Amino acid sequence: GQNIDQPTEMTATEGAIVQINCTYQTSGFNGLFWYQQHAGEAPTFLSYNVLDGLEEKGRFSSFLSRSKGYSYLLLKELQMKDSASYLCAVPPRNSGYSTLTFGKGTMLLVSP
Amino acid sequence: NAGVTQTPKFRVLKTGQSMTLLCAQDMNHEYMYWYRQDPGMGLRLIHYSVGEGTTAKGEVPDGYNVSRLKKQNFLLGLESAAPSQTSVYFCASSHLSDTRNTIYFGEGSWLTVV
Repeated sequence: GQNIDQPTEMTATEGAIVQINCTYQTSGFNGLFWYQQHAGEAPTFLSYNVLDGLEEKGRFSSFLSRSKGYSYLLLKELQMKDSASYLCAVPPRNSGYSTLTFGKGTMLLVSP
Repeated sequence: NAGVTQTPKFRVLKTGQSMTLLCAQDMNHEYMYWYRQDPGMGLRLIHYSVGEGTTAKGEVPDGYNVSRLKKQNFLLGLESAAPSQTSVYFCASSHLSDTRNTIYFGEGSWLTVV
Protein backbone atom coordinates (compact mmCIF):
# COMPACT_ATOMS: atom_id res chain seq x y z
CA GLY A 1 0.00 0.00 0.00
CA GLN A 2 0.86 3.65 0.07
CA ASN A 3 2.28 5.00 3.37
CA ILE A 4 0.97 8.47 4.10
CA ASP A 5 1.99 10.31 7.24
CA GLN A 6 0.39 13.41 8.71
CA PRO A 7 0.17 14.74 12.27
CA THR A 8 -2.78 13.50 14.29
CA GLU A 9 -3.82 16.80 15.83
CA MET A 10 -3.01 20.49 15.62
CA THR A 11 -4.35 23.55 17.42
CA ALA A 12 -4.34 27.19 16.38
CA THR A 13 -6.08 30.42 17.21
CA GLU A 14 -8.55 32.39 15.14
CA GLY A 15 -6.86 34.69 12.64
CA ALA A 16 -3.58 32.77 12.69
CA ILE A 17 -1.84 30.73 9.97
CA VAL A 18 -1.38 26.98 10.22
CA GLN A 19 0.56 24.51 8.07
CA ILE A 20 -0.46 20.84 7.93
CA ASN A 21 2.23 18.54 6.57
CA CYS A 22 1.92 15.27 4.67
CA THR A 23 4.61 12.85 3.54
CA TYR A 24 4.12 9.91 1.16
CA GLN A 25 6.07 7.29 -0.75
CA THR A 26 7.31 8.82 -3.98
CA SER A 27 7.23 5.84 -6.37
CA GLY A 28 4.38 5.79 -8.88
CA PHE A 29 3.25 9.27 -7.93
CA ASN A 30 0.29 10.69 -9.82
CA GLY A 31 -1.00 13.64 -7.87
CA LEU A 32 -1.88 14.50 -4.28
CA PHE A 33 -5.22 15.56 -2.91
CA TRP A 34 -6.31 17.41 0.21
CA TYR A 35 -9.82 16.90 1.58
CA GLN A 36 -11.60 18.62 4.46
CA GLN A 37 -13.95 16.70 6.74
CA HIS A 38 -16.08 18.33 9.40
CA ALA A 39 -17.22 16.12 12.28
CA GLY A 40 -20.11 13.89 11.27
CA GLU A 41 -19.92 14.93 7.63
CA ALA A 42 -18.48 13.64 4.36
CA PRO A 43 -15.00 14.61 3.15
CA THR A 44 -15.04 17.41 0.59
CA PHE A 45 -12.39 18.21 -2.01
CA LEU A 46 -10.01 21.07 -1.23
CA SER A 47 -7.05 20.88 -3.60
CA TYR A 48 -5.02 18.82 -6.04
CA ASN A 49 -1.32 19.09 -6.82
CA VAL A 50 0.50 17.16 -9.52
CA LEU A 51 3.42 19.54 -10.21
CA ASP A 52 5.93 21.00 -7.76
CA GLY A 53 5.09 24.31 -6.21
CA LEU A 54 2.37 26.22 -4.48
CA GLU A 55 -1.28 26.30 -5.57
CA GLU A 56 -3.26 29.11 -3.98
CA LYS A 57 -7.03 29.12 -3.62
CA GLY A 58 -8.32 31.91 -1.40
CA ARG A 59 -7.33 31.37 2.22
CA PHE A 60 -6.10 27.85 1.45
CA SER A 61 -2.88 26.96 -0.36
CA SER A 62 -1.29 23.59 -1.07
CA PHE A 63 2.38 22.91 -1.75
CA LEU A 64 4.04 19.89 -3.31
CA SER A 65 7.62 18.66 -3.59
CA ARG A 66 7.65 15.42 -5.61
CA SER A 67 11.35 14.73 -5.06
CA LYS A 68 10.90 14.90 -1.29
CA GLY A 69 7.53 13.12 -1.16
CA TYR A 70 6.17 16.07 0.79
CA SER A 71 3.12 18.29 0.70
CA TYR A 72 1.58 20.82 3.01
CA LEU A 73 -1.76 22.57 3.30
CA LEU A 74 -1.55 26.19 4.43
CA LEU A 75 -4.58 27.81 6.00
CA LYS A 76 -4.50 31.58 6.48
CA GLU A 77 -6.73 33.90 8.51
CA LEU A 78 -8.12 30.95 10.40
CA GLN A 79 -11.81 30.94 11.23
CA MET A 80 -13.70 28.83 13.75
CA LYS A 81 -15.38 26.99 10.87
CA ASP A 82 -11.95 25.71 9.78
CA SER A 83 -12.00 23.30 12.75
CA ALA A 84 -12.11 19.98 10.92
CA SER A 85 -10.05 16.99 9.93
CA TYR A 86 -7.76 17.48 6.92
CA LEU A 87 -7.02 14.38 4.85
CA CYS A 88 -4.08 13.92 2.52
CA ALA A 89 -4.63 11.34 -0.26
CA VAL A 90 -2.74 9.82 -3.19
CA PRO A 91 -3.52 7.11 -5.73
CA PRO A 92 -1.97 3.82 -4.55
CA ARG A 93 0.85 2.35 -6.59
CA ASN A 94 -0.20 0.00 -9.40
CA SER A 95 -3.85 1.00 -9.01
CA GLY A 96 -4.34 2.40 -12.49
CA TYR A 97 -5.06 5.64 -10.65
CA SER A 98 -8.74 4.76 -10.22
CA THR A 99 -8.70 4.84 -6.41
CA LEU A 100 -7.28 6.98 -3.61
CA THR A 101 -5.43 6.01 -0.45
CA PHE A 102 -6.05 8.40 2.42
CA GLY A 103 -3.88 9.38 5.32
CA LYS A 104 -5.40 9.10 8.79
CA GLY A 105 -6.15 12.80 8.82
CA THR A 106 -5.06 15.78 10.89
CA MET A 107 -7.65 17.09 13.32
CA LEU A 108 -7.36 20.89 13.46
CA LEU A 109 -8.93 22.74 16.38
CA VAL A 110 -9.28 26.49 16.00
CA SER A 111 -9.86 28.36 19.26
CA PRO A 112 -11.03 31.96 19.81
CA ASN B 1 -28.43 18.39 -7.30
CA ALA B 2 -28.31 15.25 -5.14
CA GLY B 3 -24.77 14.04 -5.98
CA VAL B 4 -24.06 10.83 -4.03
CA THR B 5 -26.90 9.52 -1.87
CA GLN B 6 -26.60 6.72 0.69
CA THR B 7 -29.32 4.80 2.52
CA PRO B 8 -29.83 4.11 5.33
CA LYS B 9 -28.05 6.83 7.27
CA PHE B 10 -28.17 4.96 10.58
CA ARG B 11 -28.66 1.27 11.35
CA VAL B 12 -28.19 -1.03 14.31
CA LEU B 13 -27.67 -4.72 13.54
CA LYS B 14 -27.34 -7.80 15.67
CA THR B 15 -24.32 -10.03 15.15
CA GLY B 16 -25.01 -12.46 12.33
CA GLN B 17 -27.69 -10.37 10.64
CA SER B 18 -27.36 -9.31 7.04
CA MET B 19 -28.00 -5.97 5.41
CA THR B 20 -27.35 -3.95 2.28
CA LEU B 21 -26.20 -0.35 2.05
CA LEU B 22 -27.47 1.42 -1.02
CA CYS B 23 -25.57 4.09 -2.91
CA ALA B 24 -26.86 6.12 -5.83
CA GLN B 25 -25.14 8.87 -7.83
CA ASP B 26 -26.72 11.17 -10.39
CA MET B 27 -23.49 12.54 -11.91
CA ASN B 28 -23.08 9.79 -14.53
CA HIS B 29 -19.77 8.78 -12.94
CA GLU B 30 -18.08 5.60 -14.08
CA TYR B 31 -16.17 4.91 -10.86
CA MET B 32 -17.79 4.14 -7.54
CA TYR B 33 -16.29 3.24 -4.18
CA TRP B 34 -17.14 2.06 -0.71
CA TYR B 35 -14.90 3.24 2.15
CA ARG B 36 -15.14 2.68 5.87
CA GLN B 37 -13.86 5.16 8.42
CA ASP B 38 -12.81 4.21 11.93
CA PRO B 39 -11.17 6.29 14.69
CA GLY B 40 -7.40 6.22 14.34
CA MET B 41 -7.57 4.29 11.06
CA GLY B 42 -8.74 6.89 8.58
CA LEU B 43 -10.64 6.08 5.42
CA ARG B 44 -10.02 2.59 4.07
CA LEU B 45 -11.23 1.28 0.72
CA ILE B 46 -13.48 -1.79 0.90
CA HIS B 47 -14.46 -2.40 -2.73
CA TYR B 48 -14.67 -0.31 -5.84
CA SER B 49 -16.07 -0.45 -9.36
CA VAL B 50 -14.72 1.04 -12.58
CA GLY B 51 -17.93 0.46 -14.50
CA GLU B 52 -21.30 -1.24 -14.65
CA GLY B 53 -20.99 -4.96 -14.02
CA THR B 54 -17.42 -4.78 -12.68
CA THR B 55 -16.14 -4.75 -9.11
CA ALA B 56 -12.74 -5.04 -7.46
CA LYS B 57 -11.39 -5.53 -3.95
CA GLY B 58 -9.88 -2.70 -2.01
CA GLU B 59 -7.77 -2.69 1.13
CA VAL B 60 -10.31 -4.28 3.53
CA PRO B 61 -12.77 -6.41 1.50
CA ASP B 62 -13.30 -9.35 3.87
CA GLY B 63 -16.85 -9.73 5.16
CA TYR B 64 -18.34 -7.53 2.43
CA ASN B 65 -19.77 -8.09 -1.03
CA VAL B 66 -20.73 -5.54 -3.66
CA SER B 67 -22.71 -5.31 -6.85
CA ARG B 68 -22.89 -2.75 -9.65
CA LEU B 69 -25.85 -3.82 -11.78
CA LYS B 70 -26.61 -0.27 -12.89
CA LYS B 71 -24.13 2.51 -13.56
CA GLN B 72 -25.74 4.82 -11.02
CA ASN B 73 -25.97 2.32 -8.15
CA PHE B 74 -23.36 0.56 -6.02
CA LEU B 75 -24.55 -1.81 -3.30
CA LEU B 76 -22.53 -2.93 -0.28
CA GLY B 77 -23.66 -6.11 1.45
CA LEU B 78 -22.85 -7.58 4.83
CA GLU B 79 -23.85 -11.24 4.80
CA SER B 80 -23.20 -11.95 8.49
CA ALA B 81 -22.50 -8.79 10.45
CA ALA B 82 -19.77 -8.75 13.10
CA PRO B 83 -19.03 -6.14 15.80
CA SER B 84 -15.76 -5.37 13.96
CA GLN B 85 -17.91 -3.99 11.13
CA THR B 86 -19.23 -1.21 13.35
CA SER B 87 -18.11 1.83 11.42
CA VAL B 88 -19.08 4.80 9.29
CA TYR B 89 -19.42 3.81 5.66
CA PHE B 90 -18.92 6.29 2.84
CA CYS B 91 -19.89 5.75 -0.75
CA ALA B 92 -18.11 7.86 -3.34
CA SER B 93 -17.87 8.32 -7.08
CA SER B 94 -15.63 9.90 -9.69
CA HIS B 95 -15.61 10.61 -13.42
CA LEU B 96 -13.47 8.62 -15.85
CA SER B 97 -12.64 11.71 -17.90
CA ASP B 98 -11.50 13.69 -14.86
CA THR B 99 -7.72 13.37 -15.11
CA ARG B 100 -7.44 14.32 -11.46
CA ASN B 101 -9.99 11.64 -10.50
CA THR B 102 -11.58 13.89 -7.88
CA ILE B 103 -13.71 11.73 -5.61
CA TYR B 104 -17.11 12.93 -4.39
CA PHE B 105 -18.48 11.43 -1.20
CA GLY B 106 -21.95 10.65 0.09
CA GLU B 107 -22.97 11.78 3.55
CA GLY B 108 -22.13 8.50 5.26
CA SER B 109 -23.97 5.60 6.86
CA TRP B 110 -23.45 4.91 10.56
CA LEU B 111 -23.62 1.19 11.26
CA THR B 112 -23.50 -0.37 14.72
CA VAL B 113 -23.29 -4.14 15.16
CA VAL B 114 -24.15 -5.38 18.66
